[in-house]
Amino acid sequence: IAGITQAPTSQILAAGRRMTLRCTQDMRHNAMYWYRQDLGLGLRLIHYSNTAGTTGKGEVPDGYSVSRANTDDFPLTLASAVPSQTSVYFCASSDSQGSSTDTQYFGPGTRLTVL
Amino acid sequence: GENVEQHPSTLSVQEGDSAVIKCTYSDSASNYFPWYKQELGKRPQLIIDIRSNVGEKKDQRIAVTLNKTAKHFSLHITETQPEDSAVYFCAGFSGGYNKLIFGAGTRLAVHP
Repeated sequence: IAGITQAPTSQILAAGRRMTLRCTQDMRHNAMYWYRQDLGLGLRLIHYSNTAGTTGKGEVPDGYSVSRANTDDFPLTLASAVPSQTSVYFCASSDSQGSSTDTQYFGPGTRLTVL
Repeated sequence: GENVEQHPSTLSVQEGDSAVIKCTYSDSASNYFPWYKQELGKRPQLIIDIRSNVGEKKDQRIAVTLNKTAKHFSLHITETQPEDSAVYFCAGFSGGYNKLIFGAGTRLAVHP
């Protein structure tokens, strides 16, 4: 069992390019999340998905889009990367049901540098 | 929406001493408060959490306390060890469904 995986591990990208960060979980969790981590700012939620077929905006959604075609995959797309999107990106998932909360499990992260 | 403030931003202690990290939150409806530990270059991992129906929870050398009236919660680490050195994040559960808002983190250094 892999848990939650992300690809690529790191990427250097030219500004203006399109980039998709991949996230896959094999725990059959219904909820998935994307965070960015910047020094001194902690983890900020970009987008989330409560269940396959639904997505929602987090604290910092501008410049990013997501899709949730199935339970396992939750890709994050930067349509036209800008240097301020240089960050470490973490995907997470949780087996949350209804109004209950549950532990969020994080992937290993993707270090993205936009030049 | 929820706002979570965490302090101190850095904390240095001697091995064997206790460490306390404090967080405040703004959303009185928040009912779930996890703490995550992140070692250098690694992913955040849950170390303990508390729900609003309890005031304290312990797990070996770590404990978390919650004061709902004052809207603050704290992480306590006793008998610190060098392997406790990491960045610790608190989080509050925002209004809406399953949206955690994280504090900015505390970098804890435990010196032998």
